[in-house]
Amino acid sequence: EPEVTQTPSHQVTQMGQEVILRCVPISNHLYFYWYRQILGQKVEFLVSFYNNEISEKSEIFDDQFSVERPDGSNFTLKIRSTKLEDSAMYFCASSEEAGLDSNSPLHFGNGTRLTVT
Amino acid sequence: ILNVEQSPQSLHVQEGDSTNFTCSFPSSNFYALHWYRWETAKSPEALFVMTLNGDEKKKGRISATLNTKEGYSYLYIKGSQPEDSATYLCAFGGATNKLIFGTGTLLAVQP
Repeated sequence: EPEVTQTPSHQVTQMGQEVILRCVPISNHLYFYWYRQILGQKVEFLVSFYNNEISEKSEIFDDQFSVERPDGSNFTLKIRSTKLEDSAMYFCASSEEAGLDSNSPLHFGNGTRLTVT
Repeated sequence: ILNVEQSPQSLHVQEGDSTNFTCSFPSSNFYALHWYRWETAKSPEALFVMTLNGDEKKKGRISATLNTKEGYSYLYIKGSQPEDSATYLCAFGGATNKLIFGTGTLLAVQP
């Protein structure tokens, strides 16, 4: 069964450094997402992406964050200057459809655990 | 602020017991309610997506119901098995592309 893959599984970085988290969504999916879970908290939405542009973003997704689909298969999340509070598990997801009345579930990757020291 | 609540936070049952959890969500601007099963060290896996009031869905021993007017969904597991041990997440989909997740119910099934 096709799956969403994420690399790396664990990334440790120093505060202020840039990180890029990588994802390969399921190939026939059209909608892509990043979610994150800070330890002990809820899974929270960061951004959705469709047709090569951001379709929605949360207030967490400030100008330190960016997403890109550089080559038609990879979907990346970049954090320009990491802060301690960016430490979390970051999940990439994709879906066939999205939006109102959509029956499409999200397909998640295994996540990247980001630790900012 | 849209809030999704799940109860209980955790549940310990014996193999063979049947169990159920609750997800409560805003009753306005409802479009979809998702249930996911999340085993440790794996990715959340979709169980159900429900969009209509009164929807009932079933997959094997797991079933779910939906009441959009009062803003709740129940997930039932009949005859729990140790392999059912996981965190069960519900997520509310409103008039946007994002899902709002609850905190999850951690189920531990003792053999």
